[in-house]
Amino acid sequence: EAQVTQNPRYLITVTGKKLTVTCSQNMNHEYMSWYRQDPGLGLRQIYYSMNVEVTDKGDVPEGYKVSRKEKRNFPLILESPSPNQTSLYFCATRKGRYNEQFFGPGTRLTVL
Amino acid sequence: GIQVEQSPPDLILQEGANSTLRCNFSDSVNNLQWFHQNPWGQLINLFYIPSGTKQNGRLSATTVATERYSLLYISSSQTTDSGVYFCAVGFMNRDDKIIFGKGTRLHILP
Repeated sequence: EAQVTQNPRYLITVTGKKLTVTCSQNMNHEYMSWYRQDPGLGLRQIYYSMNVEVTDKGDVPEGYKVSRKEKRNFPLILESPSPNQTSLYFCATRKGRYNEQFFGPGTRLTVL
Repeated sequence: GIQVEQSPPDLILQEGANSTLRCNFSDSVNNLQWFHQNPWGQLINLFYIPSGTKQNGRLSATTVATERYSLLYISSSQTTDSGVYFCAVGFMNRDDKIIFGKGTRLHILP
């Protein structure tokens, strides 16, 4: 079954404690992205990757890091989380630039 | 600058009614999708439609790229249609970013 998985689905943490949210896809897609969703602001792209070892900033990259060492995985790293990073995070994949995106189930992060 | 605007922001309808949701965009596009976010937060693909018209059951969508808008039609609404509808756009001659509109919140009353 084609799917995008994210872990964890829910996380409560404290300011400054490094964390990683994993994203994995089994569709052999080239493109992967991370978004955050906040009330009244819709979804905003954090980072995206066009292929292994190729990443670029989205509209809200501050405070986040990503890596793409394997095609199927695209982890989102928060080196020093802050309360303003409390949000709902989505990972998404697409085959190429002119293809539809498929979203993971979301990760709800709370930073105290 | 680059913009994606959705209207109306909120819509309340009785079950069985029809609705039209609009997405305006500020430049030429090479990627456009409509999504439904259900009350549990899941994002469900509705249409990939950078141009033309598509239909899937009670839902249909039209994108008029030359006039920079897309429409999502929902006919004979059901309570399960409630949620937020987003359009997401990739622009030509720009990087590979995808920009989401702020969504239309639809509430269908039984």
